[in-house]
Parts: sequence; structure tokens; C-alpha cells
Amino acid sequence: KQEVTQIPAALSVPEGENLVLNCSFTDSAIYNLQWFRQDPGKGLTSLLLIQSSQREQTSGRLNASLDKSSGRSTLYIAASQPGDSATYLCAVVFNNAGNMLTFGGGTRLMVKP
Amino acid sequence: DTGVSQNPRHKITKRGQNVTFRCDPISEHNRLYWYRQTLGQGPEFLTYFQNEAQLEKSRLLSDRFSAERPKGSFSTLEIQRTEQGDSAMYLCASSRLAPGSNEQFFGPGTRLTVL
Repeated sequence: KQEVTQIPAALSVPEGENLVLNCSFTDSAIYNLQWFRQDPGKGLTSLLLIQSSQREQTSGRLNASLDKSSGRSTLYIAASQPGDSATYLCAVVFNNAGNMLTFGGGTRLMVKP
Repeated sequence: DTGVSQNPRHKITKRGQNVTFRCDPISEHNRLYWYRQTLGQGPEFLTYFQNEAQLEKSRLLSDRFSAERPKGSFSTLEIQRTEQGDSAMYLCASSRLAPGSNEQFFGPGTRLTVL
């Protein structure tokens, strides 16, 4: 079964810290991987998309890396701010699964002022 | 606002009633997806359209669920004879058809509560 796992489920850090969120997936044959942010009770905001041929993508203070061979992706957040507090979701399109996203359970991040 | 829109944002219904949700994708996007999210979990795929054709359906989509995209623009998701287990956030997403441009963009969701 193709699965996506995110650890830890929750994380609390003081403002200003650099942090890394982890995502692992069970099948290295992926089409792409997408990171999302979700605020409580809201929809998902796309943060970064990494195609299978890419190793990383950057947007502002965010950097996402992809290592297909080990089935891992990381989302690096630099100089965290209280406004970064949200749930971060990792999702994968597996090669033999059409265009559907398979999601991890998310990491709930709290950045304390 | 040119993002994905969903209506209604909230729906409260009694068990056994039928409900219908609407999704309007980003205008140039050919692909439209429905997902369901329960509290504390990641979203789960339900179904996907390319233009007006429904190309994939999850096993989660029981016979009580039906989705349409009649003209390849907006889509509706209907749940018949709702059950308490249908209570969830229903999310719609859209993406382009072009290779390498399949980033999915999500709407705000419709939160369904079945009493």
C-alpha cells in the first residue's frame, strides 16, 4: 500500500528557530510531491511543488528537498515566526495512482513568541 | 478572486437527508478533484474529473455519493441519505492539464455536520 507519513505529529518551537519538518513515502516511484499549509478550519494553501526530477524548491523562508531513493522529503523553515503556526501537510502523486494526491497526517506547528 | 471557490462553506443536516456541494475551479484548469478530510487527519481522495469526464473514483466513494461536472466547468458533489460518518470537510482542488504543471490548488472547503 502506498502511504505517506509525517513525523512528528506536533511541534512547538520558540520564535526565530530554524526547523525541519519530515515526510516519508513508501514507494519511490513518484510523479511529484507537494507541501501545503492549513490553518484551523480552512482549506489548503500550496507552498511548494517538487517534480520527481527535482531535488529541491525554495520560496522565501521555505526550502523543500526531495530524495526519492530514500523516500523522504523535508520542509525547512528559516527564522520561524508566530504567523507560521499552522498544520503542514505533505502529499505525493505516485506514478501508478493517476493524479490523486496521497496525504500524510500533517505536522501541527506552533511557534511561540 | 480567481481561486477555487466552494459553496456552501458550512452545512448542517439531519441524518437521512440529501446534500449537494458546489465547486468552481480556477477558470483555465481542466482537472478538478474532490477530497474529504476528517478532524486531525490528512485529506483523502474521492474522485477526479478531466474536463467533464470522471476518470477516477476512490473506493471511499460509496453508492450514496455522486459527482458531476456537466460542462467541464463547475462540479457538484451529492451525498444521499447522509450518515453521521459523512461528517467531514469536503475539499475541492483544481489543476492544469499541461505536463509538469499539475500543482493542485484547493478551495476553502465545505464543512458538513450530520446530526
